[in-house]
Amino acid sequence: QKEVEQNSGPLSVPEGAIASLNCTYSDRGSQSFFWYRQYSGKSPELIMSIYSNGDKEDGRFTAQLNKASQYVSLLIRDSQPSDSATYLCAVNMEYGNKLVFGAGTILRVKS
Amino acid sequence: EPEVTQTPSHQVTQMGQEVILRCVPISNHLYFYWYRQILGQKVEFLVSFYNNEISEKSEIFDDQFSVERPDGSNFTLKIRSTKLEDSAMYFCASSDRGQPQHFGDGTRLSIL
Repeated sequence: QKEVEQNSGPLSVPEGAIASLNCTYSDRGSQSFFWYRQYSGKSPELIMSIYSNGDKEDGRFTAQLNKASQYVSLLIRDSQPSDSATYLCAVNMEYGNKLVFGAGTILRVKS
Repeated sequence: EPEVTQTPSHQVTQMGQEVILRCVPISNHLYFYWYRQILGQKVEFLVSFYNNEISEKSEIFDDQFSVERPDGSNFTLKIRSTKLEDSAMYFCASSDRGQPQHFGDGTRLSIL
């Protein structure tokens, strides 16, 4: 069973702080890695994609990938109350194009 | 920005009835997907569709489920005889080759 694991949280950070979200995956052949944000009752919204080892930055967001450790993370700098949501890690496995999602980490940014 | 459109936003159906959920993928995308999310649980893959045929399906996608692209724009999910446990949010997604999947707003399916 191919799994994607996330700490369910909630992760609480003060406004302006850095939020760090983590994800591990079981299939070593995984190729593509994504972070989606999901507000309560809404659909997943793509915020970051990463395909190779290292860091990828987009505005306040940085995704980090370490394939040897099978680990993906998302850093959110200068966290805002509007960042409060569930963050879903999703992995595209080697065979086929389906996404396997983790259960998500709830982030709460306190003003 | 182009987006995936789903209708209806909420569907209430009696158990045993057929239901069709509709999706209009992003126009230049070639890959189409259905996922579902039972309240409080993970987003789960149901089926992917490419070149007018199913490319992959999960164990959830049994004989009660079918997908169709009846014309050049719509992509539908049919549940033939609904069960209480089919109650969930159903998300349609689309992507171009090698690109991330973009999700629609979802259809909330409630089975009574």
